[in-house]
Amino acid sequence: GAVVSQHPSRVICKSGTSVKIECRSLDFQATTMFWYRQFPKKSLMLMATSNEGSKATYEQGVEKDKFLINHASLTLSTLTVTSAHPEDSSFYICSAVTLAKNIQYFGAGTRLSVL
Amino acid sequence: GIQVEQSPPDLILQEGANSTLRCNFSDSVNNLQWFHQNPWGQLINLFYIPSGTKQNGRLSATTVATERYSLLYISSSQTTDSGVYFCAVTKAAGNKLTFGGGTRVLVKP
Repeated sequence: GAVVSQHPSRVICKSGTSVKIECRSLDFQATTMFWYRQFPKKSLMLMATSNEGSKATYEQGVEKDKFLINHASLTLSTLTVTSAHPEDSSFYICSAVTLAKNIQYFGAGTRLSVL
Repeated sequence: GIQVEQSPPDLILQEGANSTLRCNFSDSVNNLQWFHQNPWGQLINLFYIPSGTKQNGRLSATTVATERYSLLYISSSQTTDSGVYFCAVTKAAGNKLTFGGGTRVLVKP
């Protein structure tokens, strides 16, 4: 199956710093990538849809200035958590869709802890 | 938006037992996927099954699109089957997935 690589897998940072998370489709081109957030023992919550070469579409309640998304190429999308605070601590997961098969493949996730 | 409900929310199995997980959705869908989230958080694709029946080893899935539900069968469960099982749907190709609440499975040795 298709492989999606997500880095880093874990980040611990101080409050006020910015953290960048990368999501790469390794063996296919993904015109669309998605970013999710998951709280402990909860389901995945979609944060935004990232389309190559255009602005991301954010879900209601997600601050676009807090969570900056860039999708500069067909294989790379990045999520930057700006001025992180403890309440931003969470598990962030990206996915990429192969339009040919209409299947989403997920990265391994990034566990962010803000002290 | 479309609603996705999974049942049961929690399931405890003895190793070797069989089980059925259910996913109900409130509208017609273009795509339905089943995932297994392992203890490290990785979501593993199990099935892409907008309709019909598929089998992969001890796992199989059936989606009855006209009745808006899907079933995931686990046979001869093993401790490695433990984790959370999610179903997720989309209404259009390439569109965002809507996830169900998940079924947390614990298989005891």
